[in-house]
Order: sequence, then C-alpha cells, then structure tokens
Amino acid sequence: DQQVKQNSPSLSVQEGRISILNCDYTNSMFDYFLWYKKYPAEGPTFLISISSIKDKNEDGRFTVFLNKSAKHLSLHIVPSQPGDSAVYFCAASGETSGSRLTFGEGTQLTVNP
Amino acid sequence: GAVVSQHPSWVICKSGTSVKIECRSLDFQATTMFWYRQFPKQSLMLMATSNEGSKATYEQGVEKDKFLINHASLTLSTLTVTSAHPEDSSFYICSATTGGAFDNEQFFGPGTRLTVL
Repeated sequence: DQQVKQNSPSLSVQEGRISILNCDYTNSMFDYFLWYKKYPAEGPTFLISISSIKDKNEDGRFTVFLNKSAKHLSLHIVPSQPGDSAVYFCAASGETSGSRLTFGEGTQLTVNP
Repeated sequence: GAVVSQHPSWVICKSGTSVKIECRSLDFQATTMFWYRQFPKQSLMLMATSNEGSKATYEQGVEKDKFLINHASLTLSTLTVTSAHPEDSSFYICSATTGGAFDNEQFFGPGTRLTVL
C-alpha cells in the first residue's frame, strides 16, 4: 500500500525553465510534508517542508504547494539549473518529534543546459 | 551542523557472514535514529526506528533477528545484517532527528552499499 506516490518517474526540463514535481498521498493523518533531493550513492538532503496548516512555503528557488482537499503537493523549482538534476523524493509524516517518514518512489529530474 | 555519517560507505561480503554498519551523528545528539533500505529505482523503505537505550521498533515484514539494531548512545546506532544473503544486497541509509526545533526533520547519512556474493 503506497501511501505516498510520485507518479512521474522522470522529468526533463530546460535550464532556466520551471520544474514541477508532483506528489499525492492517501493517508489523511499526514500533517507534515518534506521534499528531499538525492544524488546516486548518497543519502537524501532536505530541501523544503510544509505543514498542513499552510498551503505554500517558499525558500529561494524552491516553492512547495499543498492542496489538502486533493491530498496533493508539488515542488516548483524556478529557474531550474543543471545542478538541480537529481532524484527528488517527497515524504510525509503524521506525528511530532521523531516521527516516521513515508517516502514516495522518487522522480528523476534532469535539467538540460 | 546536523551532519550524519555512516561507515563503511560500501562493503562486499560472502553469503552467510554478518556485516555491521555504523551511523553517527557528528555534531548533535540524536534522540531517534532511523534505518532505511533502498533497492534500485525504488523508494526508501523504513526498516526500523531506534531510540537511545531502548529496543528498536521494526516495521512490518522486517526480521528483527536478522537486522540487529543497537542504539548504544545518543550519537551512535549500529545495524548488523546477520547471515547475509544476496537478496540483502541493497543501499542502507540511516537518519537522525535532533528532537529540537526541527522536530520532523531527519538528517540522512550518505548510505552504505552492501553487496552480498
């Protein structure tokens, strides 16, 4: 039972354009969502997060949008840079400190120069 | 800050042997550490949650007698894969939480590539 789904295994965009990565979840108890970036043979690095009391959170080139009614979140990267090429995972949790994360399958983003 | 290391970064072993992987929080005390496994082109799957000084909580389907977890201090957790078999070959990643301001944020180690021949 995949509670967090990233339906696009890959995405290719041109440098300077917007990258939009999508994530859907089924568990209505999730109240905190995170995006991680991962390079091959490395651990994920935290990018940005959003709690369920918000619908948008912005940090530099990265913006995460949350649509609770649709159980959908998205990560926007603008402008996209070749260095953004990596696998992006969305993750969700439903508890407070030390909570378990449920990850999506990941989306491979390729930004072409 | 919030750096997590893993050792070794990769290991190759023969079937039937045991392998220990260390996870350390270098500049903070980790109240909770997590162990994940990732197969190629798949998601990170949580294996177990460990808190310092107590027994680990294993996810459904993960054999606790095969994957031994010891969280002996606030900066060190170890995962021992006992009697490893080729199907245990995977990328093992640990993470840690500070339990502070970033309550829900986990800091990940670089991972350990295990190959069982």
